[in-house]
Amino acid sequence: EAGVAQSPRYKIIEKRQSVAFWCNPISGHATLYWYQQILGQGPKLLIQFQNNGVVDDSQLPKDRFSAERLKGVDSTLKIQPAKLEDSAVYLCASSSRPGTEAFFGQGTRLTVV
Amino acid sequence: AQSVTQPDIHITVSEGASLELRCNYSYGATPYLFWYVQSPGQGLQLLLKYFSGDTLVQGIKGFEAEFKRSQSSFNLRKPSVHWSDAAEYFCAVGADTGNQFYFGTGTSLTVIP
Repeated sequence: EAGVAQSPRYKIIEKRQSVAFWCNPISGHATLYWYQQILGQGPKLLIQFQNNGVVDDSQLPKDRFSAERLKGVDSTLKIQPAKLEDSAVYLCASSSRPGTEAFFGQGTRLTVV
Repeated sequence: AQSVTQPDIHITVSEGASLELRCNYSYGATPYLFWYVQSPGQGLQLLLKYFSGDTLVQGIKGFEAEFKRSQSSFNLRKPSVHWSDAAEYFCAVGADTGNQFYFGTGTSLTVIP
């Protein structure tokens, strides 16, 4: 069974630039999460989708972050414009249903300079 | 409010010694509990999970965890640590009735020869 795929693995951008991350969840998984993990901290949930609908985006900085999950499969997370404090690893995860075990991708390490 | 607490930020053990990592949770519903491991530069890998039934669960790599409802705890244990176990360990909680998947702040494990 293929795992959660994320790209790119690494990205370096200057502040005020924009960036997008892509995630392909495990086939059949209806629930998709985006987490932000700052160095030395646990993952922080940014947004949760159930199929193509948003379940929770309460911690998503909506003035600069956006995410979509068209057709309930792949998802993209965008930051525009980026700030220095956005430097982190962005993890995508999926699960067959909410609250059950989430399977994680390798993450995208973003460095904002 | 739901939360997960990992009281130990960093633990150092000798190779071959036993290990116990602590996790306490606060959750309104009956919880699903998980332990994940993260090696440097990698995504999170599921070690074990508890949904219901036997409160002592076995996981991969020789790890086990015990759910104690009275103490709201789900501590991770291993009888004999290997150098390759050095990593960051995260406790997480979800629920069948909930939508979210909460992580603790993590415990960093160092294994010394």
